[in-house]
Amino acid sequence: KNQVEQSPQSLIILEGKNCTLQCNYTVSPFSNLRWYKQDTGRGPVSLTIMTFSENTKSNGRYTATLDADTKQSSLHITASQLSDSASYICVVPSGTYKYIFGTGTRLKVLA
Amino acid sequence: SAVISQKPSRDICQRGTSLTIQCQVDSQVTMMFWYRQQPGQSLTLIATANQGSEATYESGFVIDKFPISRPNLTFSTLTVSNMSPEDSSIYLCSVQPVAATDTQYFGPGTRLTVL
Repeated sequence: KNQVEQSPQSLIILEGKNCTLQCNYTVSPFSNLRWYKQDTGRGPVSLTIMTFSENTKSNGRYTATLDADTKQSSLHITASQLSDSASYICVVPSGTYKYIFGTGTRLKVLA
Repeated sequence: SAVISQKPSRDICQRGTSLTIQCQVDSQVTMMFWYRQQPGQSLTLIATANQGSEATYESGFVIDKFPISRPNLTFSTLTVSNMSPEDSSIYLCSVQPVAATDTQYFGPGTRLTVL
């Protein structure tokens, strides 16, 4: 069964600290993996797309990694800011215009 | 990129009534999708809105409950019919531009509360 699981479910960190969010998937065949940021009351916004051949990709303070062998991805946030408070969703396509969404990690950054 | 707007942004409705949500994109797109995100849950695809033909619904969603229109390449509507409290969710419009098939853009969502 195609699934995307994320951990932790929620996370609270202090401003300036780093954190890492995890995504495990069982989707096959695999083409790419996407990380989205969803602010409260808003739609998801793409942070990065990882293809099969990519191991690491950065977008500012966000760095995503992908291990296609173990079917794991992580999103590392460096020097967190209050504006990083949001839900982070991992998404893997499972067919033409079909996507498997993880349940997300809800991050809260405290001052 | 694609800029997507949705109307209304939020609404509180009575049981048994219907609400139509509008989705407008600033550029022509081939694929438009409607998702539901229930509280604390992930996004669930309701249907794919096809221009010029009937929408394609996912398992568990039917046209009588969620009729969809797609009159052109930049606009779509989703109606939530005969609402019950279980329909309280965020409804999201999403598009996949022709020139960027790897990227999916989402609208800001419509937060619906059914009393």
